[in-house]
Amino acid sequence: AQTVTQSQPEMSVQEAETVTLSCTYDTSESDYYLFWYKQPPSRQMILVIRQEAYKQQNATENRFSVNFQKAAKSFSLKISDSQLGDAAMYFCAYRSAGRGGSEKLVFGKGTKLTVNP
Amino acid sequence: DAGITQSPRHKVTETGTPVTLRCHQTENHRYMYWYRQDPGHGLRLIHYSYGVKDTDKGEVSDGYSVSRSKTEDFLLTLESATSSQTSVYFCAISESNRNYGYTFGSGTRLTVV
Repeated sequence: AQTVTQSQPEMSVQEAETVTLSCTYDTSESDYYLFWYKQPPSRQMILVIRQEAYKQQNATENRFSVNFQKAAKSFSLKISDSQLGDAAMYFCAYRSAGRGGSEKLVFGKGTKLTVNP
Repeated sequence: DAGITQSPRHKVTETGTPVTLRCHQTENHRYMYWYRQDPGHGLRLIHYSYGVKDTDKGEVSDGYSVSRSKTEDFLLTLESATSSQTSVYFCAISESNRNYGYTFGSGTRLTVV
């Protein structure tokens, strides 16, 4: 079974600075998808960014980018120019690319990000 | 997200009572999931559905049952609630485009006293 590990339970960053959240995963599959979700205090789960394992190019969404290292099974999230609204719990998630379509998302335990003004 | 709603948003119940949480979607997605979120555990899958009347267990299914009689509704039932089932419950939906992840409901905070 796949596992996702987020080794940083909590992180903090100064406003306007850059922070990187770590995620590693364990799988024997070669084709899969990786995601970062943001959960602000409102509790809503918001998709931040996704990465297809077959793509070598790292995904970018505005101030959010990933460093995807397939061989190392690492998928870190970089937040540039941090804003107060970035304060949230961040979850890394893995999804198999199997043919069935029902492949489940497997989540890490989360990293709580605090942004200091 | 407007395409998926959970009810109730909050609930307090007593130990031993049955509880049903409802997830309703308007996206006509095939796949629906129930997760629970607990501090230090992230989100863990309880049950999921891959079609009407087609359901299967996740990693923490003990004490829970589900039903899906219509595409749009996925019900999670705690037959006899226990304090260990105090949690935040999320419903999620997905289509076959697996690279798009899930769309989540707003969650239900359930407290069992």
